[in-house]
Amino acid sequence: GIQVEQSPPDLILQEGANSTLRCNFSDSVNNLQWFHQNPWGQLINLFYIPSGTKQNGRLSATTVATERYSLLYISSSQTTDSGVYFCAVERLNDMRFGAGTRLTVKP
Amino acid sequence: GAVVSQHPSRVICKSGTSVKIECRSLDFQATTMFWYRQFPKQSLMLMATSNEGSKATYEQGVEKDKFLINHASLTLSTLTVTSAHPEDSSFYICSARDRGQGAPYNSPLHFGNGTRLTVT
Repeated sequence: GIQVEQSPPDLILQEGANSTLRCNFSDSVNNLQWFHQNPWGQLINLFYIPSGTKQNGRLSATTVATERYSLLYISSSQTTDSGVYFCAVERLNDMRFGAGTRLTVKP
Repeated sequence: GAVVSQHPSRVICKSGTSVKIECRSLDFQATTMFWYRQFPKQSLMLMATSNEGSKATYEQGVEKDKFLINHASLTLSTLTVTSAHPEDSSFYICSARDRGQGAPYNSPLHFGNGTRLTVT
């Protein structure tokens, strides 16, 4: 199956800082989604972004499909942004998750 | 928006018993549903792909006789953990795609809130 690598695995920020999370994948994809998993395990869909750029408030994402990577930008981070961020890619009805980036935002 | 309901959210059972987890698409029809398992501090691992009206496709290493998947309708898939053991304790999450959203595969997957299974 398709390989998904996320970096960094862990990230500690001071509140107000900006960050960039990266997702590399090994093959062409028809779907790419970014999720935030909260402490209760719920997966919050942040972006459906197989290509291009999207923005939603303090978050934005860019996927460069031809170069097989996606970036998630978090600006002016808040303590509520803490948690695990997953990139998931899908190729022909087969969706795989990266190992995640564990983000801790300190007050 | 598309909602996937998963039930129960939490279940504790004794070793040797079976547990059924339901995954429903509330406002859309899903030809395909997916089942994932997540161990603590790990990522989500695909267990099986469930297609309405046909047998599920299991990932390598997932025992089909232990994790029974039934996808009897376009809005319901069930995962039954048979003869559960403590090592089956995990977080199970389902997902589904709205088949009415354009070309196959070119739409997001919608996830349930997960089921935390504890086997004692």
